[in-house]
Amino acid sequence: SAVISQKPSRDICQRGTSLTIQCQVDSQVTMMFWYRQQPGQSLTLIATANQGSEATYESGFVIDKFPISRPNLTFSTLTVSNMSPEDSSIYLCSVGHGTYEQYFGPGTRLTVT
Amino acid sequence: RKEVEQDPGPFNVPEGATVAFNCTYSNSASQSFFWYRQDCRKEPKLLMSVYSSGNEDGRFTAQLNRASQYISLLIRDSKLSDSATYLCVVYSYGQNFVFGPGTRLSVLP
Repeated sequence: SAVISQKPSRDICQRGTSLTIQCQVDSQVTMMFWYRQQPGQSLTLIATANQGSEATYESGFVIDKFPISRPNLTFSTLTVSNMSPEDSSIYLCSVGHGTYEQYFGPGTRLTVT
Repeated sequence: RKEVEQDPGPFNVPEGATVAFNCTYSNSASQSFFWYRQDCRKEPKLLMSVYSSGNEDGRFTAQLNRASQYISLLIRDSKLSDSATYLCVVYSYGQNFVFGPGTRLSVLP
């Protein structure tokens, strides 16, 4: 399985600001995804990060709030824009190959005050 | 009806016990199924994929019943280290990945 790192591991941000989370993989992967895990809950898929094109967002998530970049097959960023306390969550990237098995990064724990 | 539902738990079992979790899904066109485990404050880790014929990995056995739209996970001879939340994940083309709410397992000494 791939080795995945995320930066930052945690942050405390003020409402109205934006935070960009980085996800780096040690090998080229076809699929990269971004998830949110709110306190005490399971994971919800935000979007699929597509290399060289716009991300594909799930229902309830929009590009203006969660812009995503994927400049190559090993790297992606997720920005949480104009944050509010409701955005406090763990954000995880995951990667997958053809079999749909996913491997997750360690997550970014975001607190918005 | 939620897309993926799991036994609410928590399950508290003694070491050495056998425990089974169930997961049901609503989309009959779902294609791929997985069990992940998530330790407290950690990321989910793939435990096993679930195949139509059922599959076993050591103490863990996964079964898929497409007709009834459920997946099960059986853990035999439970260890303290099995304590975690177990997440059922379903992939459907066009619907993408849906995670169940998870079932928490505590294995007690």
